[in-house]
Amino acid sequence: AQSVTQPDIHITVSEGASLELRCNYSYGATPYLFWYVQSPGQGLQLLLKYFSGDTLVQGIKGFEAEFKRSQSSFNLRKPSVHWSDAAEYFCAGSGGYQKVTFGTGTKLQVIP
Amino acid sequence: DAGITQSPRHKVTETGTPVTLRCHQTENHRYMYWYRQDPGHGLRLIHYSYGVKDTDKGEVSDGYSVSRSKTEDFLLTLESATSSQTSVYFCAINGQGADGYTFGSGTRLTVV
Repeated sequence: AQSVTQPDIHITVSEGASLELRCNYSYGATPYLFWYVQSPGQGLQLLLKYFSGDTLVQGIKGFEAEFKRSQSSFNLRKPSVHWSDAAEYFCAGSGGYQKVTFGTGTKLQVIP
Repeated sequence: DAGITQSPRHKVTETGTPVTLRCHQTENHRYMYWYRQDPGHGLRLIHYSYGVKDTDKGEVSDGYSVSRSKTEDFLLTLESATSSQTSVYFCAINGQGADGYTFGSGTRLTVV
C-alpha cells in the first residue's frame, strides 16, 4: 500500500542545535512528497515539496529536505533550530497530483 | 488561510444527531478534501471532490457524506453523530500540479 511513515513520535532538541526529522515512503514510482508544519490550534502549512529534479529541496523558514530513492526517505532538516520551530511536523506523499497520504506526525519540542 | 474558511470552528453535538460542516474557498480550485485528525493517526482522508457534484470516498468514509453543488462550497455531513467521530476536521484545497494543499483552520467537533 502507498504510505508514508514517520518513525519518531516526539523529538526534543536544544535551541540552536541541528534538526533532522525522518520520513520513509512506500510508493511504486517516484512520489510527490511534502512536509507540513502545524502549530497548536492551527491548520497545516506547507514547508516544502518534491516531485522531480534536484533531490535537495529548500523550503520556507530555513528548512530543507533531501529525497533519497535508495533509502525511500525524505528527511527534513534545519541547521539551527529556533524556539518558534516547536510544532508538529507531518510528512505526506502522493502517487499523483491528488489524494495525499499523511504520516502520523512528529512533535518537536525545543528547549532553551 | 484567506482563501479557505471552515465553519463552525467549534461544535458540540449529541450522539445520534446529524451535523454538517462547511468548507468555503475563494480560489476556484477544482479539488477539495475533508480530513480528520486524531492523535496517533495523523490526518486521514474522509471524502474528496474533483468537481461540482463529483465526489469520491477516502479511507475513513463510513458514517460521512459530502456534497458539492458549487465550486466554492464542500459540505461534510455526519448522518448520525457518534462519539468516535469526535475529532478535528480539516478541509483542504488543491489547484493543479504538485502544489500541495492549502488547509483551512479546522473544526473541532465533540460528540457527547
